[in-house]
Amino acid sequence: GENVEQHPSTLSVQEGDSAVIKCTYSDSASNYFPWYKQELGKRPQLIIDIRSNVGEKKDQRIAVTLNKTAKHFSLHITETQPEDSAVYFCASHAYSGAGSYQLTFGKGTKLSVIP
Amino acid sequence: DARVTQTPRHKVTEMGQEVTMRCQPILGHNTVFWYRQTMMQGLELLAYFRNRAPLDDSGMPKDRFSAEMPDATLATLKIQPSEPRDSAVYFCASGRTSGGNTGELFFGEGSRLTVL
Repeated sequence: GENVEQHPSTLSVQEGDSAVIKCTYSDSASNYFPWYKQELGKRPQLIIDIRSNVGEKKDQRIAVTLNKTAKHFSLHITETQPEDSAVYFCASHAYSGAGSYQLTFGKGTKLSVIP
Repeated sequence: DARVTQTPRHKVTEMGQEVTMRCQPILGHNTVFWYRQTMMQGLELLAYFRNRAPLDDSGMPKDRFSAEMPDATLATLKIQPSEPRDSAVYFCASGRTSGGNTGELFFGEGSRLTVL
């Protein structure tokens, strides 16, 4: 099955600096890569996603890049703000057998933005 | 604003008791997932349904856990008997999948289970 590795597990940055979180995946057939943000005590919510036919996608201060050859994708947050502090999960969507496609999540990165 | 609804939000029970968690997916979504979240393991997939059919429950301890989807508006996750190591937050999520493509997963608020 698919294996998703996420690094780093914790990340502290000064307010205004950039943050980068990286993920690698194992299944070359994976075709969809979302990023979820989970604030303390709340549910994970989608912040940005990218499909395998695109190399980069940007939404205001957030961008995601995908390198299919190397099988890795990254989340970039610029001009970080205290409200960006949360746990971020990457995920990969791949065929898991018997007609089943599923999202496999990374272990998460706890981002702390220091005012 | 369509949301995934989970009940109960919090449950404290004693070891050995049965626990049932319920989920109402968003109308029109054809996939439902159950995830367990702990500090150590992140988001673990327990079970996955598509068009109400169970497709993958390989992450679920079969001896005590069971997941069903009796109709399109209700998914259940049952633990019997419960153990202290089952203490976690259980999330239900729903989405729309067609062929090999999927869209956003929408998570419920979660059910926080504490087994004493």
